[in-house]
Amino acid sequence: GDSVTQMEGPVTLSEEAFLTINCTYTATGYPSLFWYVQYPGEGLQLLLKATKADDKGSNKGFEATYRKETTSFHLEKGSVQVSDSAVYFCALPKETSGSRLTFGEGTQLTVNP
Amino acid sequence: DGGITQSPKYLFRKEGQNVTLSCEQNLNHDAMYWYRQDPGQGLRLIYYSQIVNDFQKGDIAEGYSVSREKKESFPLTVTSAQKNPTAFYLCASRSGRAGDTQYFGPGTRLTVL
Repeated sequence: GDSVTQMEGPVTLSEEAFLTINCTYTATGYPSLFWYVQYPGEGLQLLLKATKADDKGSNKGFEATYRKETTSFHLEKGSVQVSDSAVYFCALPKETSGSRLTFGEGTQLTVNP
Repeated sequence: DGGITQSPKYLFRKEGQNVTLSCEQNLNHDAMYWYRQDPGQGLRLIYYSQIVNDFQKGDIAEGYSVSREKKESFPLTVTSAQKNPTAFYLCASRSGRAGDTQYFGPGTRLTVL
């Protein structure tokens, strides 16, 4: 079945460091791919998405490229800020089941000043 | 303002009591979802609905019930049959077009005393 695997966390970085959070997936067909962010005590917010192979999603300095050949959708940011501290989830929809989302386990990011 | 509202934000329940969590959206979305999140874990699907008066079980439906009498509303009842109901509950909706984004509400934290 469809699945998403995220890199193990937590991740702790200093401000202005480079961030990569790995995400690989298994899916039937070529679904859209999503990154969501969750701040403490809040719901999930869409960070970025890509709808087809080789698409690059970007938002707030974060980027991720839909790589069909490696079935990956790694999240990157060139220079993190303290305000980026949150939990990040990679997700893909299952179109045959009402587009329900399958999530990775989430990666806790802490950025220290 | 368009969006998804969940109420209450915090909810306390005694063992053996049923409790209903509210979810309302004014985005005119066809599909709505309920997810459960446990500490340090990803989200798991409880129920989803693609259209009014229709809904399907997700991965962990036991001990929960839902209704979809109106397009904008998808309440979740946590029954006394749910063995471990303490969790963070998130409601989401999407437009129904393939590949479209799911948008999330702010969540309800349920604690069983």
